Amino acid sequence: AQSVTQPDIHITVSEGASLELRCNYSYGATPYLFWYVQSPGQGLQLLLKYFSGDTLVQGIKGFEAEFKRSQSSFNLRKPSVHWSDAAEYFCAVGPVGGNEKLTFGTGTRLTIIP
Amino acid sequence: KAGVTQTPRYLIKTRGQQVTLSCSPISGHRSVSWYQQTPGQGLQFLFEYFSETQRNKGNFPGRFSGRQFSNSRSEMNVSTLELGDSALYLCASARTSGTYEQYFGPGTRLTVT
Repeated sequence: AQSVTQPDIHITVSEGASLELRCNYSYGATPYLFWYVQSPGQGLQLLLKYFSGDTLVQGIKGFEAEFKRSQSSFNLRKPSVHWSDAAEYFCAVGPVGGNEKLTFGTGTRLTIIP
Repeated sequence: KAGVTQTPRYLIKTRGQQVTLSCSPISGHRSVSWYQQTPGQGLQFLFEYFSETQRNKGNFPGRFSGRQFSNSRSEMNVSTLELGDSALYLCASARTSGTYEQYFGPGTRLTVT
């Protein structure tokens, strides 16, 4: 069965600092990988996705993520965070093959301090 | 283009009652998936509908059911509500089944007392 681990429940960074959120997955083959962001009281917004090809993917809002097959990781990065980035971030994995079921990690809550 | 809409946004029900939540997907999207989000269990997949047919179902009891109409709008129903059903219910639409380019609605916050 596929699974996703986000080891950091809560991360605090200063505005302007760099950010890396960790995500590890367990799956028998290379899955489809996603990062979503959820602001308080809102639904989830897709930040970026990896299906195949270039292992460094660019997303919206200045985010990027790197797929590392050897480490089964798909970490999310941003070089300089803004106060508006404070939210909860979810990593998700979906099996190749047309199954709609996404498996989400437990989320990382990001706090930005001025 | 309008996004995914969910109604109602907030709901308070009593144990034993039933509830129906509604989701209108993005125009042109034919796949609708439902998720339950709770602090303890996180985001869990409930089911997915495409062309009025349930394609996938998560590990939830039969009290949770859904349907999709010919205009792709979807409803989910929870019967005999339990306190543990209190959650944010999220709907996500996609252009077709077999794609993960899902767009989420704002959710319906259900509180069971």
